[in-house]
Amino acid sequence: DIVMTQTPLSLSVTPGQPASMSCKSSQSLLYSDGKTYLYWYLQRPGQPPQLLMYEVSKRFSGVPDRFSGSGSGTDFTLKISRVEAEDVGVYYCMQSIQLPLTFGGGTKVEIK
Amino acid sequence: QVQLVESGGGVVQPGRSLTLSCAASAFTFSNYGMLWLRQAPGKGLEWVALVSSDGTNNYYADSVKGRFTISRDNSKNTLYLQMNSLRADDTAVYYCAKAGVQRTPDYWGQGTLVTVSS
Repeated sequence: DIVMTQTPLSLSVTPGQPASMSCKSSQSLLYSDGKTYLYWYLQRPGQPPQLLMYEVSKRFSGVPDRFSGSGSGTDFTLKISRVEAEDVGVYYCMQSIQLPLTFGGGTKVEIK
Repeated sequence: QVQLVESGGGVVQPGRSLTLSCAASAFTFSNYGMLWLRQAPGKGLEWVALVSSDGTNNYYADSVKGRFTISRDNSKNTLYLQMNSLRADDTAVYYCAKAGVQRTPDYWGQGTLVTVSS
């Protein structure tokens, strides 16, 4: 199984300031079709997860452009350019290059 | 707007069975694979099972293989998870999700809580 490792465990951010979090996979997520199957989800308190980013850097429908994703191979980063109160929650990365689908342990974002 | 509504959760004794349902609407259900995922209390996310759009191909996490069965009824726009031989470590919120590109969960339901306890 592919192991997904996220850092840091938590972030405390002042509104309007940037935030960044990392996700590393135990194997490359680059598939033979040229796509990299790395995804980011946000789970707000008491809510189901929602898809933020797909294929590393593509924003899902309705996701604000203050979110951006980058990386390749096994190392990936999610950045929030200016954190807002609604960004509070746990961010998970996930790979879908092979089954089982596996998730990182999550990065919890709080507002200072 | 894609809508997924899970039902069937509750408290069940170890070793017993339970069936979850997920009613889908606002998209062409029969065109998409569907997934079940779960989240134990205070823990992270775990993929449980995947079914193809026509129901002929199923895949399971090792932790549930041989005990859980995913199925679907495309005429009713409904996804199911039959859970047998339940254990305490199956206690979790169970989410159904629509599979997008590369079987990725793109839309999730609100979840249903399953508690396995004597």
